[in-house]
Amino acid sequence: QSVLTQPPSVSAAPGQKVTISCSGSSSNIGNNYVSWYQQLPGTAPKLLIYDNNKRPSGIPDRFSGSKSGTSATLGITGLQTGDEADYYCGTWDSSLSASFGGGTKLTVL
Amino acid sequence: EVQLVESGGGLIQPGGSLRLSCAASGFTVSSNYMSWVRQAPGKGLEWVSVIYSGGSTYYADSVKGRFTISRDNSKNTLYLQMNSLRAEDTAVYYCARLDFWSGYYLGVWGQGTTVTVSS
Repeated sequence: QSVLTQPPSVSAAPGQKVTISCSGSSSNIGNNYVSWYQQLPGTAPKLLIYDNNKRPSGIPDRFSGSKSGTSATLGITGLQTGDEADYYCGTWDSSLSASFGGGTKLTVL
Repeated sequence: EVQLVESGGGLIQPGGSLRLSCAASGFTVSSNYMSWVRQAPGKGLEWVSVIYSGGSTYYADSVKGRFTISRDNSKNTLYLQMNSLRAEDTAVYYCARLDFWSGYYLGVWGQGTTVTVSS
């Protein structure tokens, strides 16, 4: 059972927008920054969003992140078939113990 | 180029030991916080351990007392010594660099190495 709660799956058509939620508590998301990771099939996870809403170099602005209270959201606009992947939220507490969500499988119909 | 390359995985019997390695290039392991994260087959990510640049180490409760994270500064390599292995330790093990801006995040990941614990 993961500490952070994500929907198991989401789907949308190419070109559409999708959001993925990540719910936690005051002991994790509520008092720490959230990061998001994309795991394409058969590959290692890759950083997508850090510090709730910042994109690393090379990540297109179709990907966005936000946080409110004890929840965070990943948004993806202009969906492409290449976005089909598992997406994970994560956060680190003051002792550098990490918590991850269970992952959300994105299907682009 | 910043890169992490894991090795050392394999098939091991329950109760056995294995040491994973993670060779870094493009940055210095000892100057960074480094972490191990694992992913059981068909499951999500699970944090395993972290080592601070100062040498302090922390572990998930599920591996505490059985796993040891360490590094060799001369080889710029991170390790995970895994003892008393159990079937539930079967997973792909990733090493990752823990970066910081306003908060912590895993900025660089290796490709992973597979550990299978089975008789």
